[in-house]
Amino acid sequence: DAGVTQSPTHLIKTRGQQVTLRCSPISGHKSVSWYQQVLGQGPQFIFQYYEKEERGRGNFPDRFSARQFPNYSSELNVNALLLGDSALYLCASSLFLAGGIDEQFFGPGTRLTVL
Amino acid sequence: AQSVTQLGSHVSVSEGALVLLRCNYSSSVPPYLFWYVQYPNQGLQLLLKYTSAATLVKGINGFEAEFKKSETSFHLTKPSAHMSDAAEYFCAVSEGTGRRALTFGSGTRLQVQP
Repeated sequence: DAGVTQSPTHLIKTRGQQVTLRCSPISGHKSVSWYQQVLGQGPQFIFQYYEKEERGRGNFPDRFSARQFPNYSSELNVNALLLGDSALYLCASSLFLAGGIDEQFFGPGTRLTVL
Repeated sequence: AQSVTQLGSHVSVSEGALVLLRCNYSSSVPPYLFWYVQYPNQGLQLLLKYTSAATLVKGINGFEAEFKKSETSFHLTKPSAHMSDAAEYFCAVSEGTGRRALTFGSGTRLQVQP
């Protein structure tokens, strides 16, 4: 079975531009989460979506937005890019079981460089 | 609010030596705890998870971790390091059914010397 896939692998943008990152979850997983990992730090939670609805949001500015599609894939959008947005963006999928642990499976990430 | 502290940003051991990576957490509710490994230019791979079923948790690649509530710790160990264990290790906490997002520590880079 395929794992979580993300595209593109690498991306270079300039300040002020907008970027869209894409994620396809593991088959059968209905929840997708996004994390930002700045070099030398641990991942930080951005969003979680389940059944196309936002179920959680981290402490990120409104320049960050996301959505989930009927096939459970997801896009993360970042507007008005800043140099500090340079990071590895990780997508994770999970079953989002009621009353249980939500084990998250991570994709390989998209490396965004803002110049 | 939940948080994770990983003591030691870099740990170096000799091949065959004991690996001990430290993690302390804080959580307002009984936590779920995880250890992930990240190899260069890759995503995160789950090593093991604590879900309150047993305090000593065994994971992949010979790693295990012990949940100690009194010490709010979840340290990761491996009896004998292998060169292939060199990677970045992250401890993470989740409050489970409430806030499901993972809160990660800052990571520990493990070097294994021949």
